Amino acid sequence: NAGVTQTPKFRVLKTGQSMTLLCAQDMNHEYMYWYRQDPGMGLRLIHYSVGEGTTAKGEVPDGYNVSRLKKQNFLLGLESAAPSQTSVYFCASTRTGSYSTEAFFGQGTRLTVV
Amino acid sequence: GENVEQHPSTLSVQEGDSAVIKCTYSDSASNYFPWYKQELGKRPQLIIDIRSNVGEKKDQRIAVTLNKTAKHFSLHITETQPEDSAVYFCAARTGNQFYFGTGTSLTVIP
Repeated sequence: NAGVTQTPKFRVLKTGQSMTLLCAQDMNHEYMYWYRQDPGMGLRLIHYSVGEGTTAKGEVPDGYNVSRLKKQNFLLGLESAAPSQTSVYFCASTRTGSYSTEAFFGQGTRLTVV
Repeated sequence: GENVEQHPSTLSVQEGDSAVIKCTYSDSASNYFPWYKQELGKRPQLIIDIRSNVGEKKDQRIAVTLNKTAKHFSLHITETQPEDSAVYFCAARTGNQFYFGTGTSLTVIP
């Protein structure tokens, strides 16, 4: 049982390049999230999904796109990377319920855009 | 949307002393309040949580209190140890989303 796994762990991009971050969970969770973590700003929600085939915008969605074609996978795409997107990205998942259980996080992806 | 504020941003305590971190939230519909610990270079991990129908919860040296009327909740760590040094995040869940505080960097001085 691996939990939540992110790929890759590190990446350096040049401004204008594109990339996709992959998040995979093996806990059969319905909800999945992408956050970015910047110093002094905590975790800010980029996009999230409440089930296969659904996505929704979070607090800071500009410059990112997502897809949830399979229940276990949630992809985050950067079409044209900018230095402002340099950050640590975390994926998380949780099961549904009127009272939530915890969100399980991946190990993070450190992205640098130069 | 929900707004979660967390204080202090940094906290230093002597080993064996207590540490308290406070958070406030704005949306009365928030019903779940987890606390996460993040060690340097690692993923956030849940240390304790509380639901809106409970006022206090304790797990060994860690406790969380919730005041729904005032919309604030606090993390209490007693008998702190050097391995408690980390960044702690509070969060509030409203609907499908978790809203996080900006984090508290706790240093326990041996």
